[in-house]
Amino acid sequence: QLQLQESGSGLVKPSQTLSLTCAVSGGSISSGGYSWSWIRQPPGKGLEWIGYIYHSGSTYYNPSLKSRVTISVDRSKNQFSLKLSSVTAADTAVYYCARASPMTFDYWGQGTLVTVSS
Amino acid sequence: AIQLTQSPSSLSASVGDRVTITCRASQGISSALAWYQQKPGKAPKLLIYDASSLESGVPSRFSGSGSGTDFTLTISSLQPEDFATYYCQQFNSYPPVYTFGQGTKLEIK
Repeated sequence: QLQLQESGSGLVKPSQTLSLTCAVSGGSISSGGYSWSWIRQPPGKGLEWIGYIYHSGSTYYNPSLKSRVTISVDRSKNQFSLKLSSVTAADTAVYYCARASPMTFDYWGQGTLVTVSS
Repeated sequence: AIQLTQSPSSLSASVGDRVTITCRASQGISSALAWYQQKPGKAPKLLIYDASSLESGVPSRFSGSGSGTDFTLTISSLQPEDFATYYCQQFNSYPPVYTFGQGTKLEIK
């Protein structure tokens, strides 16, 4: 059974960089046909796709966040990561990692709350 | 960019009721639509993919239909565990982006 687990700092200061990692177990992140996404959900609001990295290493980002987002993969550790720069309070959210196969998200992490505050 | 509009935004219903939630795309997306259920404090759970295909393990009281721009999620007989928020989602190849609807909160009447 595939499992995804987010980790990283739960509190980030404004203007700094948010960094999260998603560890994948029960399957290889290098398996073809899948992409690996980050999705966020501000408190009490809906879901927003941030971006994804394909098994080949290609990345695609939400145009609204593209200038601040970097997603990378570490195949040796079977994990992928998110960096979001220049954060503000509007970036406070629960951040999920998820696998897409390839048009729908079939496996999700449990989510991690990141708060942007000084 | 393609936008998804769900209706209603919230809905009150009783156990045993038949419920329908609608998702409208701003342009045609064939059948590339999925539905998710999210309970408080939990990650979304995939229910329906390709507009009408039931994800493995999902009860058969859930069904999806539609193509092009108009889609529906139907719950044939509401159970207590079905009270949650539901989201539609589409994937557009060019540009390759995912979009979610704004959500429909299903509450107990």
